Amino acid sequence: DTGVSQDPRHKITKRGQNVTFRCDPISEHNRLYWYRQTLGQGPEFLTYFQNEAQLEKSRLLSDRFSAERPKGSFSTLEIQRTEQGDSAMYLCASSFGWASDQPQHFGDGTRLSIL
Amino acid sequence: KQEVTQIPAALSVPEGENLVLNCSFTDSAIYNLQWFRQDPGKGLTSLLLIQSSQREQTSGRLNASLDKSSGRSTLYIAASQPGDSATYLCAGLSGNTPLVFGKGTRLSVIA
Repeated sequence: DTGVSQDPRHKITKRGQNVTFRCDPISEHNRLYWYRQTLGQGPEFLTYFQNEAQLEKSRLLSDRFSAERPKGSFSTLEIQRTEQGDSAMYLCASSFGWASDQPQHFGDGTRLSIL
Repeated sequence: KQEVTQIPAALSVPEGENLVLNCSFTDSAIYNLQWFRQDPGKGLTSLLLIQSSQREQTSGRLNASLDKSSGRSTLYIAASQPGDSATYLCAGLSGNTPLVFGKGTRLSVIA
């Protein structure tokens, strides 16, 4: 069990550029979640997948954001036309089981800085 | 809508002291409550998960309790150590809503 892996750890980009983050969940975890965390705040839910199906999206996930989990394994989160307000830590988590009563295990996150 | 509050925002204690971190939530129909630890610049480490049917969970020096009727959970840390210094977050799950986090309590244990 190697834990949840996120890549890259840090991303610095200019406003208006597109960025893509990757998350590899714990193997055999069928649920995968994306969160965003800003300084001094708790993580805020963005979206989650059960296998390859995206089951829920937060209103925080504007049309510039898109997430995929094509084969029910790794997931990508893309942000198009980045804005200053997108600067945050993007966290991925995974859990096992069909019910929402399993602990979520988090990766170390991708820190995004918009210049 | 579930709202989670953690008090205090920051806490500093001398090494060896026992301490309690508080978490309150607004929706008593909570499904479970999870406590996490976050070190600076890192992700979250799951510490304890309490199901709605449980009143407490223990792991080593940590003990978490859940009181649905009062909308409160506490995390008790016994014999604190400098290595316990981190931000502690609680998060509640209600029905089909996603996990809702508090803002955390930043703990400093002074040697």
